[in-house]
Amino acid sequence: GAGVSQSPSNKVTEKGKDVELRCDPISGHTALYWYRQSLGQGLEFLIYFQGNSAPDKSGLPSDRFSAERTGGSVSTLTIQRTQQEDSAVYLCASSVPSGQGYEQYFGPGTRLTVT
Amino acid sequence: SQQGEEDPQALSIQEGENATMNCSYKTSINNLQWYRQNSGRGLVHLILIRSNEREKHSGRLRVTLDTSKKSSSLLITASRAADTASYFCATALYNQGGKLIFGQGTELSVKP
Repeated sequence: GAGVSQSPSNKVTEKGKDVELRCDPISGHTALYWYRQSLGQGLEFLIYFQGNSAPDKSGLPSDRFSAERTGGSVSTLTIQRTQQEDSAVYLCASSVPSGQGYEQYFGPGTRLTVT
Repeated sequence: SQQGEEDPQALSIQEGENATMNCSYKTSINNLQWYRQNSGRGLVHLILIRSNEREKHSGRLRVTLDTSKKSSSLLITASRAADTASYFCATALYNQGGKLIFGQGTELSVKP
């Protein structure tokens, strides 16, 4: 079946603009995660959705970042008033139900460049 | 701060040789996972070892876990040029759901 997909694959935006990044998880995977990868910070956890539970937002770096997951499937990560330090590859992953102790399947990522 | 610290940061070997990468972590874990990344994009899961396991094998991969030392190692035997990639360890902490905390990674180069 299809893997995790993300769109767009690349996004260039001007400082101060808002951006939306989309993630389509593997069908049937109720756990969904967002991470970002940058040269200076490595791979960082951002937010985690599990079923109908309240999301774990502990990794979001500022209140400019938010994410939602509609219908338990597709997720959108929104960055408001983008800054140059937001430039990174944003990776989405999903895993089988329960999420605890299970391997995560990653999408190809969205490379965000803020100019 | 990152949970996992990996060494070496970079490793260059010849095809056919074995490659060993090490990972250390700070707090108690539920499990530890290893991932591979090619060309700075999507990660591919390699192997998961639970906190009550000491060793696990998958093909040419061998992972060990020492919870008393809070460390793990990934051994790739008989390496191939196609193994050239970045390798990351990631820990899943107790009572933290499934989120993973990644190490900084080891960049492996296998020369033909």
